Amino acid sequence: EAGVAQSPRYKIIEKRQSVAFWCNPISGHATLYWYQQILGQGPKLLIQFQNNGVVDDSQLPKDRFSAERLKGVDSTLKIQPAKLEDSAVYLCASSSSGTGLLAGYTFGSGTRLTVV
Amino acid sequence: AQSVAQPEDQVNVAEGNPLTVKCTYSVSGNPYLFWYVQYPNRGLQFLLKYITGDNLVKGSYGFEAEFNKSQTSFHLKKPSALVSDSALYFCAVRGGGSSASKIIFGSGTRLSIRP
Repeated sequence: EAGVAQSPRYKIIEKRQSVAFWCNPISGHATLYWYQQILGQGPKLLIQFQNNGVVDDSQLPKDRFSAERLKGVDSTLKIQPAKLEDSAVYLCASSSSGTGLLAGYTFGSGTRLTVV
Repeated sequence: AQSVAQPEDQVNVAEGNPLTVKCTYSVSGNPYLFWYVQYPNRGLQFLLKYITGDNLVKGSYGFEAEFNKSQTSFHLKKPSALVSDSALYFCAVRGGGSSASKIIFGSGTRLSIRP
């Protein structure tokens, strides 16, 4: 099966600019996650979707970050305006429902964002 | 609240020697435990998981992990290290209840295998 697709792989922007990342999960996976991984740290969950609904966005900085999964398939994560501390790798992951929840996630390769 | 700790930032091992990467966790209910590996400029790759059953679980690339409920630990092990095992390793936990579908990651341990 095809893996989780993310684009772009790399992005460099100036602070206060906006940026968007795209993720296409594994076909049929109902649950989609966006994680932020700052250099030297473990991934931190930003938002979790179940189909096109938000399950958990408790750690999403909603004043600048937004995410959507309008048709319950691919998803977009946006930052506007970006800050220096947003420099990180943004990882998308997906999992299937039911017993798939016990199998861990499948991660994409991530988008490395550098804010200068 | 669930949490996971990896007490060592870095582990250095000679090739051919056994390796252990430590992980402890805190979670309500029965834990679901995972190990992931991350190579440079790559996404996270699933190594192994503990859901229930035998406390010793075997995973990819010859790795195994031992679940110890009394010590709330899930250490990653390999009997004989390879230079190609050098990477960043993350322990992760999923608990029960309302957070059952959310995986929390540790801060990671960098494993360095010298020839």
